[in-house]
Formats: sequence, C-alpha cells, structure tokens
Amino acid sequence: EVQLVESGGGLVQPGGSLRLSCVASGFTFNSYWMHWVHQAPGKGLVWVSRINSDGSSTDYADSVKGRFTISRDNAKNTLYLQMNSLRAEDTAVYYCARDAYSFGATDYWGQGTLVTVSS
Amino acid sequence: DIQMTQSPSSLSASVGDRVTITCRASQSISSFLNWYQQKPGKAPKLLIYAASSLQTGVPSRFSGSGSGTDFTLTISSLQPEDFATYYCQQSYSTPFTFGPGTKVDIK
Repeated sequence: EVQLVESGGGLVQPGGSLRLSCVASGFTFNSYWMHWVHQAPGKGLVWVSRINSDGSSTDYADSVKGRFTISRDNAKNTLYLQMNSLRAEDTAVYYCARDAYSFGATDYWGQGTLVTVSS
Repeated sequence: DIQMTQSPSSLSASVGDRVTITCRASQSISSFLNWYQQKPGKAPKLLIYAASSLQTGVPSRFSGSGSGTDFTLTISSLQPEDFATYYCQQSYSTPFTFGPGTKVDIK
C-alpha cells in the first residue's frame, strides 16, 4: 500500500524556518518525481515545488523561490521541504504528493502537515 | 505563469443529475490538464489526467474532455459521495497552477 506521511509542521514566527519531511512507503520511491502543494485554511490548492526522481532537477512557485528548498534522500525514502524566511501568507497545510506519470498529475497524497506562521 | 479559471464556482445539484464543470487556461496547454476531487479535511484525489484519461479506480461516471485552452469535467449521474470540491490543474509548465475550485453541493 502506498503511503506518504508528512511531519515537521508547527507554529513558527515570521522570518523563522521549518523543515518538512515526507516519508514514503509501498512503492519504489527513487522512481518517482515528487511534489509539495499547500492549502491555506478555507482556500484552494497551490502548487509549491517539485523534484525529479534522482534529485537533480527542481522547480518552484515564484512565491517561494529563494526561500524554500525541496530535496530528497532516496536511501531514506524521504522528501523534504526546507522553508526559510517564513511569512504569514505561508500559513497552510502542506501536502507531499507522488507524480503519477512524470506528467505533473499526482496520484497519491499524504495527510498534510499544518504550518502556522504567526507572532 | 498560466492562469486557470473554473466555472461555476459552486453549484447545487441532485443525486442522479448530470454535472458539467468547465476549466479554462490563459494559454494553450495541449492536453496537460488534470482534475482532482477534494472532500473537507481530506487530501485531494486524482480523477482525470491528461485531460481525458480516467485514473485507476475512479468510477466511469467521471469523464474529461478538451484540449488547448478549454476543458470539461462531467459527472454523468451524480452520486451522494460526489459532493465535494473539484479542482483543475495544468501541468504543461511550472508553476503547475490549480484552478480556484468548484464546490458541488446538495440541492
């Protein structure tokens, strides 16, 4: 059974940092591109970032470019999102998701981890 | 960046109704269009990828069509478990933008 389990969310002050983790199981992690997507409370989905299967290529939304870094450790079946210089508008549930066909469509999602940026 | 719009933003329908949701891209995205369903407090679920391909395990009452800039998600006969919010997403070029969503609720 495919599972994605996020962790690392919490309350952080503006300007602070957090690192989110997503542990994958039930599939060959190093064969799949992976994504992060966020959703502010009561709002829609916002794509954040993606990384290719070996970690050599990454893409970001303009709103996080230069502040967030996506990475992966294929030996640990783990995806990461390093979030620096956090802003109030980064407050959201963050989901990791598996790219189904290297096409951008994501077929499995974690349960999400809540990041709250507030003083 | 490619902008995605959806219409309507919400609709009320009855069980058994045929429901159509429209998604439009600000530029041509070929067939790089995906549809998701999300229920409150849950992660999104992939329904349709590449505009018209039904994801494994998704009921055949869901279908997608379109190419270029205009796309449609159709539910042929609405079931109680289909009341949810539906999002389109383009995966033609990063950032992979989502539409604002269409909430389908019970009439």
